[in-house]
Amino acid sequence: DAGVTQSPTHLIKTRGQQVTLRCSPKSGHDTVSWYQQALGQGPQFIFQYYEEEERQRGNFPDRFSGHQFPNYSSELNVNALLLGDSALYLCASSLGGGGSASYEQYFGPGTRLTVT
Amino acid sequence: GESVGLHLPTLSVQEGDNSIINCAYSNSASDYFIWYKQESGKGPQFIIDIRSNMDKRQGQRVTVLLNKTVKHLSLQIAATQPGDSAVYFCAENMGYGNKLVFGAGTILRVKS
Repeated sequence: DAGVTQSPTHLIKTRGQQVTLRCSPKSGHDTVSWYQQALGQGPQFIFQYYEEEERQRGNFPDRFSGHQFPNYSSELNVNALLLGDSALYLCASSLGGGGSASYEQYFGPGTRLTVT
Repeated sequence: GESVGLHLPTLSVQEGDNSIINCAYSNSASDYFIWYKQESGKGPQFIIDIRSNMDKRQGQRVTVLLNKTVKHLSLQIAATQPGDSAVYFCAENMGYGNKLVFGAGTILRVKS
């Protein structure tokens, strides 16, 4: 049973560039949430996708956007990168969108993004 | 606002001792709480969870206690092992949409 996978593992970008991160949810899961984890801090919720739609969003600017595909995999896009975007980006999968069956979230290993 | 915080940023324990990691949450409407363990270079790993209609839940070597009166959550690890060394986060679920609000984390160091 495949767990949550993310790619790439590490990424180095320059300020102003754009980046796309990818996530495949755990087998059987249909909901993907993205989190940003700065060094030494807890993860911060970016947004969640369910049924190919953004269902909930945290306090992140519009430079952060995403997409969910029919196979439930998801992408996180960040435009006009800033130095402060350097962080570990985590993907978490769950089941059923916002329903009571979907509380438990499984996290992937993350993508370490460094902006120089 | 929404916040989940931890009382102790670093906890050092002797191997074999019991560990207790504490957490305070601010939203009395939260109905689900989770403890995650994060090792260096890895994503958070689910340890144990508890619903707001419970006060205590036990797993393998771990126990979570929830005190809704004072909005306090704790994780107890029995017979702490070197492999337990990691950063521990508590998180609360605000209900709709599975948005998790995490605290800053507690570093657990186990001395052999």
